[in-house]
Amino acid sequence: DIQMTQSPSSLSASVGDRVTITCQASQDISNSLNWYQQKPGKAPKLLIYDVSNLETGVPSRFSGSASGTDFTFTISSLQPEDTATYYCQHFDNLPMYIFGQGTKLEIK
Amino acid sequence: EVQLVESGGGLVQPGGSLRLSCAASGFTFSSYWMSWARQAPGKGLEWVANIKQDGSEKYYVDSVKGRFTISRDNAKNSLYLQLNSLRAEDTAVYYCARHKRTGFDYWGQGTLVTVS
Repeated sequence: DIQMTQSPSSLSASVGDRVTITCQASQDISNSLNWYQQKPGKAPKLLIYDVSNLETGVPSRFSGSASGTDFTFTISSLQPEDTATYYCQHFDNLPMYIFGQGTKLEIK
Repeated sequence: EVQLVESGGGLVQPGGSLRLSCAASGFTFSSYWMSWARQAPGKGLEWVANIKQDGSEKYYVDSVKGRFTISRDNAKNSLYLQLNSLRAEDTAVYYCARHKRTGFDYWGQGTLVTVS
């Protein structure tokens, strides 16, 4: 089974900082990697699909990229409203939809 | 506007059953794969099951196989999840979600299932 390892589990950053979250796959998963934002008490929201495609209506400060089995989610300039938990998610052809463990992002 | 509204959650004893519903609106429901996902209190997200547009294919995470059944009624724009033989570890907020590519682009607000 493919494993997705997301890191860090939590981080604290200041408004305006560049923030990076990583998801590492245990084997090649092509471009099947999506990123979600979840605020407390709310449903997840799709931000990035297929590694680097910005979902409609999502601010351009959010981006995604990949290098081999390492996938990176970046917020270029952190805003107060970005406080949330972020999840990566992979689709496995079994089929299975596998979520990372989540990264809780707080504003300093 | 796309809307997904779950209902049917509640408190149930171990071994009991519940039927969750998800009412869809604002899009052509019959054109989309749909899924249920869940989130235990204070934990991460877990995909539970999905169903093809016409209901001909259904898939489940191993932990619910044989206990949960996903179904849909395209005439009613509704998605369902029958939960049987419930266990304490099934306690979670259950979300319905619409598929987009290899992920999910719209989610409902969730319905809480408590097994105790």
